[in-house]
Amino acid sequence: AQKVTQAQTEISVVEKEDVTLDCVYETRDTTYYLFWYKQPPSGELVFLIRRNSFDEQNEISGRYSWNFQKSTSSFNFTITASQVVDSAVYFCAHQPGAGGTSYGKLTFGQGTILTVHP
Amino acid sequence: IAGITQAPTSQILAAGRRMTLRCTQDMRHNAMYWYRQDLGLGLRLIHYSNTAGTTGKGEVPDGYSVSRANTDDFPLTLASAVPSQTSVYFCASSVDSSTGELFFGEGSRLTVL
Repeated sequence: AQKVTQAQTEISVVEKEDVTLDCVYETRDTTYYLFWYKQPPSGELVFLIRRNSFDEQNEISGRYSWNFQKSTSSFNFTITASQVVDSAVYFCAHQPGAGGTSYGKLTFGQGTILTVHP
Repeated sequence: IAGITQAPTSQILAAGRRMTLRCTQDMRHNAMYWYRQDLGLGLRLIHYSNTAGTTGKGEVPDGYSVSRANTDDFPLTLASAVPSQTSVYFCASSVDSSTGELFFGEGSRLTVL
């Protein structure tokens, strides 16, 4: 079975600091996908990124960047120059690819509560 | 743009009562899901449906049932609610089951006393 671990329960930073949210996963699937979702205080969940297990290129989108390292089974998320609006709960998730035992279903981590203070 | 609509937004329920959480999507997505969110546990999959007419069990299906009579609706029923089912319930959909880009509803907060 898949497992996703977000060891950081809560992180508190001051605006403009950089912050990295850790995500470690366990899987026996050879093909899989990794995700990050954001849950702001309003409660809805927002998709941020999806990565294929064959693509270990880091990705940058504005102030957000993701570091995928298959060798350490990690998919970390960095926010550069954090802002108050980044305050939210962030979830990492794993999905087996085609042929996986739980094809199509996401396993979420416990979530990391990020608070950015002005 | 409505996306996914869940009802009710919040409900307090006596233990032993039957409750149905409603979920409707207007995106014509094939796959739909029900998750529960509990502090420290993240989101856990209750039931899913890859396409209309089919359903499957997720990680925590006991005490819950679903149906998928058509593409748009995916109700979740608690036949006899228990306090451990106190949670926030999220309905989600995706174009199909091969993509994890889920679109979520705003959640239904259920308290079972």
